[in-house]
Amino acid sequence: DAGVIQSPRHEVTEMGQEVTLRCKPISGHDYLFWYRQTMMRGLELLIYFNNNVPIDDSGMPEDRFSAKMPNASFSTLKIQPSEPRDSAVYFCASSFHTGGEAFFGQGTRLTVV
Amino acid sequence: DQQVKQNSPSLSVQEGRISILNCDYTNSMFDYFLWYKKYPAEGPTFLISISSIKDKNEDGRFTVFLNKSAKHLSLHIVPSQPGDSAVYFCAASERNTGKLIFGQGTTLQVKP
Repeated sequence: DAGVIQSPRHEVTEMGQEVTLRCKPISGHDYLFWYRQTMMRGLELLIYFNNNVPIDDSGMPEDRFSAKMPNASFSTLKIQPSEPRDSAVYFCASSFHTGGEAFFGQGTRLTVV
Repeated sequence: DQQVKQNSPSLSVQEGRISILNCDYTNSMFDYFLWYKKYPAEGPTFLISISSIKDKNEDGRFTVFLNKSAKHLSLHIVPSQPGDSAVYFCAASERNTGKLIFGQGTTLQVKP
């Protein structure tokens, strides 16, 4: 398996634009996590899914953020409208079972200017 | 509200010496703990874990200690090597929910 695949690797967009980050988890994994890395909070959990169903989205900072998982092999994190303070590295991770090791993608570095 | 805390942003040690990275947690529902290592421009990678029923787990140069009463865990690296220089994240999981929470990270620098 190629591991968790995220796209794009880098995204530069203007304030107010819609941004969509994509993630393909490892096949067979039933948990999918979205994290945002910042200096202050480290790896901040935004939302996670179990069997394509959102379980906890309490980490999503604002209504401007939304995430979907239409099937077991694809998830998106959308920011609309984007703001400069959203600039960060966003990671997707997947795991096979609760409490198990989660595997991370390479991340998407988002810059909102 | 930071449920997993790494209070030391950075640590510098000499090659061959011991590195000790610390982590505290507040949620008593956490029952599985993990350490991840992260190099620049890469995703975090799993290093070592420990279940709440244990107080120590060892894997080569890496040992994780868990003190449940103090809600504290630590990662020991002996001997430290320059290639260990990276950001180390502590993580905690609630097995009944699958939630996986990370700390702020500690940047370890091992000097030759």
